[in-house]
Amino acid sequence: QEQLVESGGGVVQPGRSLRLSCAASGFTFSGWNMQWVRQGPGKRLEWITFISYDGTSIFYADSVKGRFTVSRDNSKDTLFLQMNSLRADDTAVYYCVRDIGGWFGFDPWGQGTLVTVSS
Amino acid sequence: DIQLTQSPSFLSASVGDRVTVTCRASQGISSYLAWYQQKPGKAPKLLIYAASTLQTGVPSRFSAGASGTEFTLTISSLQPEDFATYYCQQSKSYPYTFGQGTQLEIK
Repeated sequence: QEQLVESGGGVVQPGRSLRLSCAASGFTFSGWNMQWVRQGPGKRLEWITFISYDGTSIFYADSVKGRFTVSRDNSKDTLFLQMNSLRADDTAVYYCVRDIGGWFGFDPWGQGTLVTVSS
Repeated sequence: DIQLTQSPSFLSASVGDRVTVTCRASQGISSYLAWYQQKPGKAPKLLIYAASTLQTGVPSRFSAGASGTEFTLTISSLQPEDFATYYCQQSKSYPYTFGQGTQLEIK
């Protein structure tokens, strides 16, 4: 079935970097736009970045612009999120999601990977 | 940015009850609204897209509608597995935004 599996989360000190990965299976990854969404402890879901199916179009939320970089390797069916200059308020569960497009929503979602920024 | 405000934030109800959650957008978003269900420790699950279309596999007790910038999610007869947090999300323009969530609890 269609599945997304994130990895790479963990505990990191403020100012350091972390790279998340999201492995896709069960669908043609190279044909779909992808997104990252995060959820801080007790907070609402927050969209953070979009990447088009071919990687040529990318958007970021203001909260991560200049610090986070999204990329993808369609030959390996994998999405990445490089996170630099991490701050305490980046602490969250990070989800990768497939963007069905337009008004069709996000589906499926990965199980999420927890990033904790703490000294 | 488009703001989404859900009401209520908390809802206590019993099995078999009919409940409605409302999501108000700060500006027009046409039908670019989705609803998600999230259970503790789990990823959100898409329930409704295009404001009122049920995702495949979602039980028919779920329904949704829209009027202007007000959107509603209704569960006609609550089942034990429906107790969760519900979020609305707009995809009209970036940054995509979510409502603050409605936590549905068992009375």
